[in-house]
Amino acid sequence: GAVVSQHPSRVICKSGTSVKIECRSLDFQATTMFWYRQFPKQSLMLMATSNEGSKATYEQGVEKDKFLINHASLTLSTLTVTSAHPEDSSFYICSAGTGFSYNEQFFGPGTRLTVL
Amino acid sequence: ELKVEQNPLFLSMQEGKNYTIYCNYSTTSDRLYWYRQDPGKSLESLFVLLSNGAVKQEGRLMASLDTKARLSTLHITAAVHDLSATYFCAVDMSWGKFQFGAGTQVVVTP
Repeated sequence: GAVVSQHPSRVICKSGTSVKIECRSLDFQATTMFWYRQFPKQSLMLMATSNEGSKATYEQGVEKDKFLINHASLTLSTLTVTSAHPEDSSFYICSAGTGFSYNEQFFGPGTRLTVL
Repeated sequence: ELKVEQNPLFLSMQEGKNYTIYCNYSTTSDRLYWYRQDPGKSLESLFVLLSNGAVKQEGRLMASLDTKARLSTLHITAAVHDLSATYFCAVDMSWGKFQFGAGTQVVVTP
């Protein structure tokens, strides 16, 4: 089956610093990837749609200048949390689809971000 | 705006008994997905339901979809401890953009 990886799996940073999270589709090409955020004991909330070769589309309430998304190739999307603050601490999960048939998404293993 | 309502949010199960989790959604869609999440982990795909009347089964889990009623159910037969996890349903809003339910935390006890 299709595999999506994320790196790093866990990161701890100081308040005010920036953190980059990578999402890779390992055995397929993904023109579109999605970024979700999950707070403890809550559901996944879609943050943005990452489009290869074009600007990301952000959901309402998500600051595009704070969560920078770059989809540089058909297998890589990056999410950079800029000037991170403790309230940005969360579990970030990306997903990607093969683009065939029924839009099934394959989810990465997630990145646990802790901002001190 | 698409709303996906899952219930119950918490389910305490006794081993050996049967239970059902419900997922209602507010707009027309014929693509619904069920996932399992263990603590600290990402999502594990359980079922993909693509049409009205779709029914899929894997082990003790069975999922069904009624697009006319905008309802999907996840039925657990003879619960066992290994099924303790949080279960999410998700509806495809468009082209892989998912709206998730709130999740059902399942705890199976002897």
